[in-house]
Amino acid sequence: DIVMTQSPDSLAVSLGERATINCKSSQNILHSSNNKSYIAWYQQKPGQPPKLLLYWASTRESGVPDRFSGSGSGTDFTLTIGSLQAEDLAVYYCQQFYSTPTFGQGTQVEIK
Amino acid sequence: EVQLVQSGAEMKKPGESLKISCKGSGYRFTSYWIGWVRQLPGKGLEWMGIIYPGDSDTRYSASFEGQVTISADKSINTAYLQWTSLKASDTAMYYCGRPSYGSGTFADPFDYWGQGTLVTVSS
Repeated sequence: DIVMTQSPDSLAVSLGERATINCKSSQNILHSSNNKSYIAWYQQKPGQPPKLLLYWASTRESGVPDRFSGSGSGTDFTLTIGSLQAEDLAVYYCQQFYSTPTFGQGTQVEIK
Repeated sequence: EVQLVQSGAEMKKPGESLKISCKGSGYRFTSYWIGWVRQLPGKGLEWMGIIYPGDSDTRYSASFEGQVTISADKSINTAYLQWTSLKASDTAMYYCGRPSYGSGTFADPFDYWGQGTLVTVSS
């Protein structure tokens, strides 16, 4: 299985500031056939199912605010929340879908 | 509107069997994979497996192969997750989900989710 490792496990950010979450895969998840990285990012708020934010590393799901952006390629990826809002308090997960899917352990984003 | 509606919370004893369900509506049920994700109490997400109702092609994560059975009844647009002998360690929230994007394979990310079914196994 491909292991996804997120860092940090938690972070506290002031409202309006930038939040950055990293995700590292144990093997390359860039598919040579289409030059796409097979990684998705989810947001999960307490008591709710996960919500898909991004896929193909940087393609935003419909309706997701543009303060959420993704970058990276190969094995190293980043989710950035450009200007943190109160409603962004949540746990964020990366997931690879290059092979049988696996998730990172999650990153708790708190308001400082 | 695409919806996935899961069956209600269950409280079971160790050794008992259980089948929970996920009913899809608002789309052609046989044309999309539908899968299951486990979330242990206070923990992260684990992808369990998935089925393509059109031909019943089923894939499992190695961690869950042999531990659960995923099935679907396309006549009633419903997918199932089943245990034959529950353990206390099966206590968790279980979500069903459906992908729309990606490469069209079983591994694509889920953009539609059910509300979750809480399974509690305790003597």
